[in-house]
Amino acid sequence: VQLLESGGGFVQPGESLRLSCTASGFTFGDFAMSWVRQAPGKGLECLSTIFGGGGSPYYYADSVKGRFTVSRDNSKNTLFLQINSLRAEDTAIYYCAKYRGMEYQNYYFDYWGQGTLVTVSS
Amino acid sequence: QSVLTQPPSVSGAPGQRVTISCTGTSSNIGAGNDVHWYHHLPGTAPKLLIYSNTNRPSGVPDRFTGSKSGTSASLAITGLQVEDEADYYCQSFDSGLGRVFGGGTKLTVL
Repeated sequence: VQLLESGGGFVQPGESLRLSCTASGFTFGDFAMSWVRQAPGKGLECLSTIFGGGGSPYYYADSVKGRFTVSRDNSKNTLFLQINSLRAEDTAIYYCAKYRGMEYQNYYFDYWGQGTLVTVSS
Repeated sequence: QSVLTQPPSVSGAPGQRVTISCTGTSSNIGAGNDVHWYHHLPGTAPKLLIYSNTNRPSGVPDRFTGSKSGTSASLAITGLQVEDEADYYCQSFDSGLGRVFGGGTKLTVL
C-alpha cells in the first residue's frame, strides 16, 4: 500500500489550494479515506472522512467546516482536499490516511502517506 | 488542548520497559470506543502500532502491548531499543467531536 500526497506549498492568507493523494496497492474505491493534519509543534487533527463506494463526505472537523471539501475519484485512485480561505493557523503537514475497521466509531488508520506541507503566510 | 491526554514525554534505558498513558472521558474511551496507537517519526508517514485496544498489525513486534480500562488506555513497550525513539499518539472516537487524538508522547531512549 502506498499513499502519496501532493499539492502543498506556500500561499498567502485567503488563497486556495487543492491537495491530492494518489493511492496504490489496494482497491481504493472499497475503503473510506481521511485527511489528517499536524500543525507545527502540535498533535494530529482528523479533518475529514469520505466513505468508499459512492464517496459521500461524512465528516469535517469544526475548524475546517465550510472551507475544506473532500472528494475522491475512484477511477484514478485519488483523494482530494480543496482548501479555501486559507488562514495562518492552517499551516501544517497534511496527511492522507486509509481507514480500516468494522463500526464507524472504531475505524482506525492502517496506512498513511508521508504528508505535504502547507504554509500560509503573508 | 487535546481531547485525549498523554504525557508529553517518557524515557527509558535500552532494555527497560516504559508505558504511555492515554486518558479520555465518558464521551470517548469511557463510552466503549476502541483506542488505537501510532508511531511517528517527524518527516515520515505515521505507522499503525496497535489497533482496537490490544491488537498488533502484522510486523509489529510483541514488545508493544496495548491495554484499555475505563476511561484510559496504555501502551507498554518492553525491551526498549534505540530505534523506538519516536512520537506516539493514541486515537479514539468522541461522540461530540468525532475522531480524536492524544497530544502525542515523545519517547527518548537514554
